Amino acid sequence: NAGVTQTPKFQVLKTGQSMTLQCAQDMNHNSMYWYRQDPGMGLRLIYYSASEGTTDKGEVPNGYNVSRLNKREFSLRLESAAPSQTSVYFCASSGAGAGFFGPGTRLTVL
Amino acid sequence: SQQGEEDPQALSIQEGENATMNCSYKTSINNLQWYRQNSGRGLVHLILIRSNEREKHSGRLRVTLDTSKKSSSLLITASRAADTASYFCATVPNTGNQFYFGTGTSLTVIP
Repeated sequence: NAGVTQTPKFQVLKTGQSMTLQCAQDMNHNSMYWYRQDPGMGLRLIYYSASEGTTDKGEVPNGYNVSRLNKREFSLRLESAAPSQTSVYFCASSGAGAGFFGPGTRLTVL
Repeated sequence: SQQGEEDPQALSIQEGENATMNCSYKTSINNLQWYRQNSGRGLVHLILIRSNEREKHSGRLRVTLDTSKKSSSLLITASRAADTASYFCATVPNTGNQFYFGTGTSLTVIP
């Protein structure tokens, strides 16, 4: 039982490059989330998915897209990376209330 | 922003002392949760308190909720060096099941 897994763990991009962050959970949760964490800002919600086939914007969705591929997987795509997207990205899922978080992806955009 | 605020931003105590951190939020909630984050790691769920509850305990943790003041507190009793971490509150609104996090309290427990 791996919980929530994220790939990659680290990534360096140049401005304008694109990439997809992958997330998977094996807890049969309906809801999944993407957050970014910046120093002094706490975690901010980028996008979430209440169930397979649905996605909604969170607090800071600009510059990102998401795909809820199936119940297990929820990916986050940066189409044209900007230095302001340098951050640590966390994926999470929730079942009966509590959230379960992945280990994070540390992304640097040069 | 729906982010709450936590206070203090940083707290340093001696091992064995109690640590109290507070969270204020802005909107009506279904529940409020507390999480711990060790440096460089993901968040770990500690405790959930529903909007109709006023106090909840789990081991050395005690959480209170005052919905009239839109505030919550987390008390860690008899702290240990291993409690050193950042602590975040997260609110879940009445509509939807997404989590909105506070800015966190950095706790250092000195052995």
